Formats: sequence, C-alpha cells, structure tokens
Amino acid sequence: DAGVIQSPRHEVTEMGQEVTLRCKPISGHDYLFWYRQTMMRGLELLIYFNNNVPIDDSGMPEDRFSAKMPNASFSTLKIQPSEPRDSAVYFCASSQLSSTDTQYFGPGTRLTVL
Amino acid sequence: DQQVKQNSPSLSVQEGRISILNCDYTNSMFDYFLWYKKYPAEGPTFLISISSIKDKNEDGRFTVFLNKSAKHLSLHIVPSQPGDSAVYFCAAIGHAGKSTFGDGTTLTVKP
Repeated sequence: DAGVIQSPRHEVTEMGQEVTLRCKPISGHDYLFWYRQTMMRGLELLIYFNNNVPIDDSGMPEDRFSAKMPNASFSTLKIQPSEPRDSAVYFCASSQLSSTDTQYFGPGTRLTVL
Repeated sequence: DQQVKQNSPSLSVQEGRISILNCDYTNSMFDYFLWYKKYPAEGPTFLISISSIKDKNEDGRFTVFLNKSAKHLSLHIVPSQPGDSAVYFCAAIGHAGKSTFGDGTTLTVKP
C-alpha cells in the first residue's frame, strides 16, 4: 500500500483565499484524522472521522475551517478565508480498527498564508 | 491546559548509551499511550504503545514504562543509534478516542 497520501505537499496562498487540503487514507482504514502542527501549539488534533462520519471536531479552531469525507477513500480540509496564523503543517492520518489503533500519518501539507 | 507534557524540548546522548524520553499527563482517564517518531519533512511514525493496564512494554531496543500513580511515562532506547535522531512525541488517548499529543522532544544521538 502507498500509505496515506496528502496533496499538495506545499501550498502558498494569500490571506483571504480559500485553501483545500486533500487526503487519501490507507485502504481499509475506518478512521481518518486531521492534525495541525505549529511551533506554538505543537501537534493538535483538529477532527476525526469514523466510517466517513465526523466523530469529534472540537479541535477545529473556528468556522473558517471545515472538513468533509464524502467517501472512504477521500477527505478534504478547507480553510475559507485563510489567514496568516493558519500557516502550519497539516497532517492527515488513518487507522484501521479504532481510534486507539496505530495511526499512520501522511507526509503533511506545509501551508503558508502570506 | 496542556494535558500531555514533554518538559524536555531536546536531549543529546552518545551513541551506544541509553536515551530516556519523558512524558507527563494530567488526565487520569487516558487509557492508551503511544510514542511516535518524526523525521524532518515526514509525518510521525508509530513507535510503541502501552495500555493503561500495563506498566511496561518492550519492542527490541525500545521500552515504554508507565507509572499511573505518577501519571508519567517514559521511553527508553538502548543502545541509542545515530539513526534514532528525530523528534519523539508521546500521545495519550481517552475513552472518547481522541488523541492528545505532547510538544515533542528532539533527540540527537552523537556518533
């Protein structure tokens, strides 16, 4: 398996623009997680899905952030409008059986908002 | 309030010696703990885990110890190798299945 795939790997955009990050989990994994890593806050869980259904979105910073999982093989994290403080590395991860199961992380998307 | 803390941002050890990375938590409801390793420009990779009903789990050179009364866990790497140089994150999972990560400790193993 190719592992968790994220695109793009790097994104540079201007403040106010919409940003969409994409993730393809490992096939057969029922759980998908979105994380954000910053120097100030470390690695923080934004939201996670089980069988395409959002289970906990309490980590989503504000209404500008939204995440969807239309099917088992694809998820998006959207920021609209983007702000400079959103600059971070965004990771997607998936796990097979439960949220306590080992999570396999993608390579991350480095987002820079100017 | 940060529920999972790694108080040492960095650690440097000599090759062949033991590396001990520490993690403290505040939430007694956490029932599963994991360690991840992260290299630059890559996502974290799973290293080792431990359930709250155990106090030790060993996998090759890596051993995780859990002290529930002290709300403390540690990762021992012995012997340390230069390839172990990376950022190490501890993570805790509660009943709701939500993961909480520490800020990470950067380990440097010198040849």
